Amino acid sequence: RKEVEQDPGPFNVPEGATVAFNCTYSNSASQSFFWYRQDCRKEPKLLMSVYSSGNEDGRFTAQLNRASQYISLLIRDSKLSDSATYLCVVLNQAGTALIFGKGTTLSVSS
Amino acid sequence: SQTIHQWPATLVQPVGSPLSLECTVEGTSNPNLYWYRQAAGRGLQLLFYSVGIGQISSEVPQNLSASRPQDRQFILSSKKLLLSDSGFYLCAWSVRRESDTQYFGPGTRLTVL
Repeated sequence: RKEVEQDPGPFNVPEGATVAFNCTYSNSASQSFFWYRQDCRKEPKLLMSVYSSGNEDGRFTAQLNRASQYISLLIRDSKLSDSATYLCVVLNQAGTALIFGKGTTLSVSS
Repeated sequence: SQTIHQWPATLVQPVGSPLSLECTVEGTSNPNLYWYRQAAGRGLQLLFYSVGIGQISSEVPQNLSASRPQDRQFILSSKKLLLSDSGFYLCAWSVRRESDTQYFGPGTRLTVL
């Protein structure tokens, strides 16, 4: 099993749609979780951390299910500017490195 | 505020040539520093990380090396590039005692021909 797995997509949605991305991780001892966003040919940028209680930042909601080792990202009211690749990221057990999924590509169209 | 710089932005090198990529961080002291590579169609892979001057940990055996000659400077090198070294090289930093959140530089896109 890969350390961090994501559905690569692409997810093609119209503006205003709600879209959800899922991610699973293999190491049950992982403590920190994140979603990063990467635009084409650019560096990844932190979108949000993911907490056990779930957290929301505007149109974005992240959830963590430790029992199932599952992380999700929900985007409401999609904008054209949300088009990007979304990377699920887990801090390794030693706390020294981030383990990245390959990313899920989102394309929002008008 | 903190900023991270990488150069060059793009690089085309022949197989067998040497490599030196540089990363510097401003606005913070004693950061953890990281080198990642993103190959075409693959996820980001950690290559090296450093918790201090002269302290380098390698995550993946390869023909690359890293050095940290100053607190906020991190260098990625190779004596002889391989075709498989092509990729997008990203430097990142994090606060020393809070290593979880990492911030990336703009990256260097390397093509080895």
